[in-house]
Amino acid sequence: GAVVSQHPSWVICKSGTSVKIECRSLDFQATTMFWYRQFPKQSLMLMATSNEGSKATYEQGVEKDKFLINHASLTLSTLTVTSAHPEDSSFYICSAAGTPSSYNEQFFGPGTRLTVL
Amino acid sequence: QQPVQSPQAVILREGEDAVINCSSSKALYSVHWYRQKHGEAPVFLMILLKGGEQKGHEKISASFNEKKQQSSLYLTASQLSYSGTYFCGTEHGSSNTGKLIFGQGTTLQVKP
Repeated sequence: GAVVSQHPSWVICKSGTSVKIECRSLDFQATTMFWYRQFPKQSLMLMATSNEGSKATYEQGVEKDKFLINHASLTLSTLTVTSAHPEDSSFYICSAAGTPSSYNEQFFGPGTRLTVL
Repeated sequence: QQPVQSPQAVILREGEDAVINCSSSKALYSVHWYRQKHGEAPVFLMILLKGGEQKGHEKISASFNEKKQQSSLYLTASQLSYSGTYFCGTEHGSSNTGKLIFGQGTTLQVKP
């Protein structure tokens, strides 16, 4: 149980284009989903927290107009990188947490590697 | 404030033990431990809550010292499959928001 998928697993795009990444919880309802960014050999940096049906909460320094997050259902959240530039190239990972509990463990998707040319 | 992990890297022989530490400058609500292999997603190992509750895998053990704002992950009788980068994620405040701040990671290499 607790499987999270991400699509696509990798994408290469030209500078200026927009890219959408999907995150799905396959066997549980995710009340909260998190989006992280990870540079090579570095830690996971939280970008935003999204709750189903409400606006995402962005971390300081993350441009909400550039990284659009939608959490339309309890099993799907999307991250759209708008007008992507080479500096946006990174490994983007989502995680999902289920029905609120005292544990709140997060289950991570396999990640999406974005390369902007 | 990002928690600090130590050591940064460790090399073990199969069967040896290791301890990975995670230290925070802010009061902790919970500590989460994950292992990530190269190019893959982090895999959940353990959660420790203030007050003593824990949840994790059978072969993994950890401690949580609320006063010192520290947690330690104990890897005993290491296997080759234990290799990877270990991250602690800390949750702060008085209630579980689910929001984690991850440490810089500890790279573990287990050799035959």
